[in-house]
Amino acid sequence: DAGVIQSPRHEVTEMGQEVTLRCKPISGHNSLFWYRQTMMRGLELLIYFNNNVPIDDSGMPEDRFSAKMPNASFSTLKIQPSEPRDSAVYFCASTWGRGDYGYTFGSGTRLTVV
Amino acid sequence: AQSVAQPEDQVNVAEGNPLTVKCTYSVSGNPYLFWYVQYPNRGLQFLLKYITGDNLVKGSYGFEAEFNKSQTSFHLKKPSALVSDSALYFCAVRLTGANNLFFGTGTRLTVIP
Repeated sequence: DAGVIQSPRHEVTEMGQEVTLRCKPISGHNSLFWYRQTMMRGLELLIYFNNNVPIDDSGMPEDRFSAKMPNASFSTLKIQPSEPRDSAVYFCASTWGRGDYGYTFGSGTRLTVV
Repeated sequence: AQSVAQPEDQVNVAEGNPLTVKCTYSVSGNPYLFWYVQYPNRGLQFLLKYITGDNLVKGSYGFEAEFNKSQTSFHLKKPSALVSDSALYFCAVRLTGANNLFFGTGTRLTVIP
């Protein structure tokens, strides 16, 4: 298995533009998580899905952020419109069940909003 | 509130010496505790976990961690540090019945040759 695949690896965009981050979880995993990592706030959980259904989106900072999981093999995190304070590394992770055997993280997308 | 704390932002240790990265937790109920490692420009990697049973758990790359209920701690240890162990280490907790992990702020470990 190639692991959790995120794209793009790097994204530079101008303030106000729409940004879409993509994630392909490990086949067979039924839980998917989106995290954001910054120096100031550390690792924050944004949203997680179980069996493609959003379970907890309380970490989504505001309405500019949205996430979807149309099927078991694909998820997107969208920011519209983007702002400089959204600059961070965004990680996707997947696991089976509650993750007692560990989450598998993707390599992340480094987003820079100028 | 449920949380984990990593009191040290930075830990330096000489190669070959034992290392300890500290973690304390505050949860109601039985905690499920985890350690993850992050190398530069990479996602987090699972190292080990404590769910129940023996208080000393062994994980990847020679790491181990000791669950101490009375001190609410779950410190990560390794008997002999390698330069390649230099990375960012995260402690995490999951509550019974929950799906998601709460991560600590991370501790940067530097092993000096």
